[in-house]
Amino acid sequence: KAGVTQTPRYLIKTRGQQVTLSCSPISGHRSVSWYQQTPGQGLQFLFEYFSETQRNKGNFPGRFSGRQFSNSRSEMNVSTLELGDSALYLCASSLSVGGEQETQYFGPGTRLLVL
Amino acid sequence: AQSVTQLDSHVSVSEGTPVLLRCNYSSSYSPSLFWYVQHPNKGLQLLLKYTSAATLVKGINGFEAEFKKSETSFHLTKPSAHMSDAAEYFCVADSNYQLIWGAGTKLIIKP
Repeated sequence: KAGVTQTPRYLIKTRGQQVTLSCSPISGHRSVSWYQQTPGQGLQFLFEYFSETQRNKGNFPGRFSGRQFSNSRSEMNVSTLELGDSALYLCASSLSVGGEQETQYFGPGTRLLVL
Repeated sequence: AQSVTQLDSHVSVSEGTPVLLRCNYSSSYSPSLFWYVQHPNKGLQLLLKYTSAATLVKGINGFEAEFKKSETSFHLTKPSAHMSDAAEYFCVADSNYQLIWGAGTKLIIKP
């Protein structure tokens, strides 16, 4: 089985721009979660999607949004970029069958640099 | 609130010596617990997972972790460190569909 894929792998944007990141989960996985990783804050949970619905949300401003498509692929959007948004954005997928927390499998991440 | 505390931000050991990475969690119930590893410039990889079966969990690359409910701990160990173990390690607990992450421990291996 192919693993979790994320595109693009690297991105450079300027302040005020917006960005869309994409994540393709492992085939058959229905849950997709997004995380932000920065040296100062570590790993922080952004949100989780399951069956095209946002099931959980972390403490990030409304500039951060996401969606999930019927094929379980997910996109994350950040509007009005700030310097502090520079980070590694990780996507993880899991089966999430029967409401039980399943092991999450992570993609390689998208490294975003905001100038 | 649930929380995960990794007691050391950095651990430095010599190659061939034992590794101990400490993790404590706070939870009103016995959660599922995970250890993930992140090598430089690579994504996160699952090392091992505890889900209320055996308290001693064996993972990949010779790592294992022991769940101790009385101490609310889930420390990661390896008998003999290898240079390729140099990475950052994360202890994670699940809580109602949301994973709670520790801050990470950087493992440094001295030749």
